[in-house]
Amino acid sequence: DGGITQSPKYLFRKEGQNVTLSCEQNLNHDAMYWYRQDPGQGLRLIYYSQIVNDFQKGDIAEGYSVSREKKESFPLTVTSAQKNPTAFYLCASSLMVTDTQYFGPGTRLTVL
Amino acid sequence: KNQVEQSPQSLIILEGKNCTLQCNYTVSPFSNLRWYKQDTGRGPVSLTIMTFSENTKSNGRYTATLDADTKQSSLHITASQLSDSASYICVVSFLYNNNDMRFGAGTRLTVKP
Repeated sequence: DGGITQSPKYLFRKEGQNVTLSCEQNLNHDAMYWYRQDPGQGLRLIYYSQIVNDFQKGDIAEGYSVSREKKESFPLTVTSAQKNPTAFYLCASSLMVTDTQYFGPGTRLTVL
Repeated sequence: KNQVEQSPQSLIILEGKNCTLQCNYTVSPFSNLRWYKQDTGRGPVSLTIMTFSENTKSNGRYTATLDADTKQSSLHITASQLSDSASYICVVSFLYNNNDMRFGAGTRLTVKP
């Protein structure tokens, strides 16, 4: 997993609640990403950030929000507007967008 | 429609045997193709990355090949070990936007003793 960490590893949430997933990296990478992984499907991009204070929507941004106030941190908030939030969430970072991405260990979110 | 298709969906082999995983893609224009290994419940780890001009790339017992004309890639694993049991994911990037990547659903490999 390199120098990129995610917490918590498992997260349970009641329907209707917002929840924030943490992602931190000490690799001095400019770019950071959030993906969602569902069984039998490829990873899907939620949001990405190429530089501090800037982020862009990915393919499935609805119901999610992010911030990039610090280079090291890229938290993801899963809002109550996300209709099917139960999934495995992966954060990644890369030196630049053209470089190999390094992934964190993931957070498994379950909505009860 | 997924632009990256991997086969087989799952594969079981005996320890010490070789195997080949396939990746077909329709992403165009194409920039690069990567293979990742993902252990259960963990994040993916990069194995190889190839640009359109490269035909083969090795990383230890892993060898990836690329045919940009037929839009096919394969990952060959030699002398498999129990620790090779994982999902192997093929990822293809668009030429003009490297943030735009398409992930295959992966091949689940199980190596048995």
